Amino acid sequence: ETGVTQTPRHLVMGMTNKKSLKCEQHLGHNAMYWYKQSAKKPLELMFVYNFKEQTENNSVPSRFSPECPNSSHLFLHLHTLQPEDSALYLCASSQDPAGRAPDTQYFGPGTRLTVL
Amino acid sequence: AQSVTQPDIHITVSEGASLELRCNYSYGATPYLFWYVQSPGQGLQLLLKYFSGDTLVQGIKGFEAEFKRSQSSFNLRKPSVHWSDAAEYFCAVASLGSGNTPLVFGKGTRLSVIA
Repeated sequence: ETGVTQTPRHLVMGMTNKKSLKCEQHLGHNAMYWYKQSAKKPLELMFVYNFKEQTENNSVPSRFSPECPNSSHLFLHLHTLQPEDSALYLCASSQDPAGRAPDTQYFGPGTRLTVL
Repeated sequence: AQSVTQPDIHITVSEGASLELRCNYSYGATPYLFWYVQSPGQGLQLLLKYFSGDTLVQGIKGFEAEFKRSQSSFNLRKPSVHWSDAAEYFCAVASLGSGNTPLVFGKGTRLSVIA
């Protein structure tokens, strides 16, 4: 499998559920990102991991908890979400963004999340 | 802070017609500029990017974009649109900085193509 994959592609959950989104990149990149895409709003950066270390948390509520066990895998753990958290969650990866010209980010297909 | 404005929310063009999607950015230093395309149900695919050098950048699928510093613009163009170009287009800017460099996206322009 190539590129950036995300599972599941669709997820419906209640506000009391706990679920996890998974992202895997097969590109040998060092950095991974979570973005949130809501209707009528720009893509919002949520988290950035570089070499498995979190380097950015963009004021995301604690009900979203990221985990990066290695450079190829990124998870987003979800608990007690709100209906307004319904969105498309996109994962991306890039080669080596630190201190030089930003490298291209490659995106996965996203997980469409619906919170009831 | 950086920002990106895509003034057109939705554009409709006829198949075979030319296309220009507008993008304006706000950033003090030299920006790094990107255009991505998103088809329904899909993630974002990079069309082209500008880092430095020639201000006219060629991308995939016959797209090109021109960086105009004086106008703070990075408009996307295609001479002849195909029905398969119908999608959402996002302009993004990044800056050189320490550590990771997040992208700042515009709100997108939805392109419809009619016969």
